[in-house]
Amino acid sequence: DGGITQSPKYLFRKEGQNVTLSCEQNLNHDAMYWYRQDPGQGLRLIYYSQIVNDFQKGDIAEGYSVSREKKESFPLTVTSAQKNPTAFYLCASSTTGTGKDEQYFGPGTRLTVT
Amino acid sequence: RKEVEQDPGPFNVPEGATVAFNCTYSNSASQSFFWYRQDCRKEPKLLMSVYSSGNEDGRFTAQLNRASQYISLLIRDSKLSDSATYLCAGRRTGKLIFGQGTTLQVKP
Repeated sequence: DGGITQSPKYLFRKEGQNVTLSCEQNLNHDAMYWYRQDPGQGLRLIYYSQIVNDFQKGDIAEGYSVSREKKESFPLTVTSAQKNPTAFYLCASSTTGTGKDEQYFGPGTRLTVT
Repeated sequence: RKEVEQDPGPFNVPEGATVAFNCTYSNSASQSFFWYRQDCRKEPKLLMSVYSSGNEDGRFTAQLNRASQYISLLIRDSKLSDSATYLCAGRRTGKLIFGQGTTLQVKP
């Protein structure tokens, strides 16, 4: 099956700990994205990558870091510097340069930090 | 002002009704637009893409008005299963900007 997987579905951490969220896709998409969603809110872009070994900050990158060593994988690390890390984190991917750059989402990871 | 804005609702409509949502955008450089459906505690799923003036898929019609800078989503013959949050997004320089979503509740 082609798609985007995120793991784990639920994640609990203590304040002050870094945590890494996984995102893998087998759609052969060049671009990958990380969003954060808070209750009753839309999606806010954290980081995105349009090609391997390159990524750009989104609107709310502070306290987060990413890497893009493989086309299929785009892990997100939530660092202890992120002031309000509890949220629903969504990974997405899309093609680029085709004019039909629809983004498809993984099932998300709910992170709770106490 | 947010770059993409939606009325959060909720819109409460009876089954069989026609309902329309608007989404306004402020950046005229936005090139294409998308409507996503999001069920409670799930990921958004792509509903429709709008690359020119509009798109139609069964009971769903999306229209783009570049002069007034809004896109609309029309749902005809609403079903109970249409109850969800509908997110609109505009594409600008390789990324999507999302509105906060409009909640639709279809009642029997």
